[in-house]
Amino acid sequence: GQNIDQPTEMTATEGAIVQINCTYQTSGFNGLFWYQQHAGEAPTFLSYNVLDGLEEKGRFSSFLSRSKGYSYLLLKELQMKDSASYLCAVRGGNYQLIWGAGTKLIIKP
Amino acid sequence: IAGITQAPTSQILAAGRRMTLRCTQDMRHNAMYWYRQDLGLGLRLIHYSNTAGTTGKGEVPDGYSVSRANTDDFPLTLASAVPSQTSVYFCASSVQGDTGELFFGEGSRLTVL
Repeated sequence: GQNIDQPTEMTATEGAIVQINCTYQTSGFNGLFWYQQHAGEAPTFLSYNVLDGLEEKGRFSSFLSRSKGYSYLLLKELQMKDSASYLCAVRGGNYQLIWGAGTKLIIKP
Repeated sequence: IAGITQAPTSQILAAGRRMTLRCTQDMRHNAMYWYRQDLGLGLRLIHYSNTAGTTGKGEVPDGYSVSRANTDDFPLTLASAVPSQTSVYFCASSVQGDTGELFFGEGSRLTVL
C-alpha cells in the first residue's frame, strides 16, 4: 500500500534549528510537497522537490532522496510563529497527492 | 482579494439532512479538489475536477457528490449527512503544470449530530 510517515509532534526552542522527517512508500513518484498549517487555518505551500537534493528558501530548506523514499524539512532560526503543523505530501504515479498526518511543531521560548 | 472562498465557515447539521458546501475561486485555476481533514489522519481527497465539466472520485467519495458547471465553482453535497461526516472540509485549486501547488480555502467545519 501507499504510506507517508512523519513524527506526530516535535518540540524545539526559539532560535534553534529543527529537522522534520518524512518517509514514503508510494506507487510511482511525481514530486514531494511540504505545507504549513497553523491551528484552525488552511494549509499553505512551503516547498516542492522532484529531484534529489536540497532546495533552500530563506529559513526553510527541503531535502529529497528518491532512492531512500525520504525527505526532510529544515527550519532555521526558529520563531514563535513557526509553531504549526507541517504536512508532507507525495504526488504518486497517478498524479494524486497522498498526505501524511502532519507533524505538530511546538516552539518554546 | 484573489483566492478561494468557502461557505459556510461552520455548520451544525442533524443526521439525515442534505447539505451543500460552497467553494468559489477567482484565480481561473483548472483543477479543484475537496478534502476532509480529521484528527490524526492526513488530508483525504473526496472528489476532484481537472477542468470544468469533469469530475472524479478521490479516496473517500461515498456519501458525497460534486459538480463543476464552470471554472470558478465546485460545490460539495452531502445527500444525507451521517455523524462520520463530521470533519473539517477544505476546498483547493491548482494550475495543472510544473509543481501543481495547491491553494486552499479557509475550511468548513461541519458537525453532524
